[in-house]
Amino acid sequence: GAGVSQSPRYKVAKRGQDVALRCDPISGHVSLFWYQQALGQGPEFLTYFQNEAQLDKSGLPSDRFFAERPEGSVSTLKIQRTQQEDSAVYLCASSLGTAGISYNSPLHFGNGTRLTVT
Amino acid sequence: KNQVEQSPQSLIILEGKNCTLQCNYTVSPFSNLRWYKQDTGRGPVSLTIMTFSENTKSNGRYTATLDADTKQSSLHITASQLSDSASYICVVSAYGSGGGADGLTFGKGTHLIIQP
Repeated sequence: GAGVSQSPRYKVAKRGQDVALRCDPISGHVSLFWYQQALGQGPEFLTYFQNEAQLDKSGLPSDRFFAERPEGSVSTLKIQRTQQEDSAVYLCASSLGTAGISYNSPLHFGNGTRLTVT
Repeated sequence: KNQVEQSPQSLIILEGKNCTLQCNYTVSPFSNLRWYKQDTGRGPVSLTIMTFSENTKSNGRYTATLDADTKQSSLHITASQLSDSASYICVVSAYGSGGGADGLTFGKGTHLIIQP
């Protein structure tokens, strides 16, 4: 497909379980972002990759959160020992260039993974 | 700290009516401002983008304006349709900050409901 693909679409985890969320960006897109979106709120930045390099992970809320993009394409967001406050929609976005300075490089979002921790 | 404030938080209007959503920002140095539409259960989709030199930009029934002096933007929707029901998110990009935490600042969005 031509868009950003995220899987699974929905994930229910018991408190304390580990989860892994996958993002397939648009082919050739350099930048990849992960965002966390609580109900009724805007997306909150988690981390940013430029190719395989994780340039900013300042938004990750704790050391239980880990993201990787080993070959500069597919990315995985892992959450260890999930807590109820981790329940949210996790959005992945990709862009052709470096989003902060590029006029012609919008973010293309996936439809997110809705994580519910019980 | 860079911030984007949107108002109103939510809005209900009748089908066929017009509405205007507001976005105020304190982002420096300013690069560009985008409005995104987010349907329920979907990811945001870009509607318009403007730099400091652009005052207005249209995309069908959507018209965005930008006042770089007052750091305000608005999104005007004309002749609303049921399919316009969504959240509208204002995103401001800071020049030279790359894509990290300081690069893009998101508003919390305005939740718009169009009633038949």
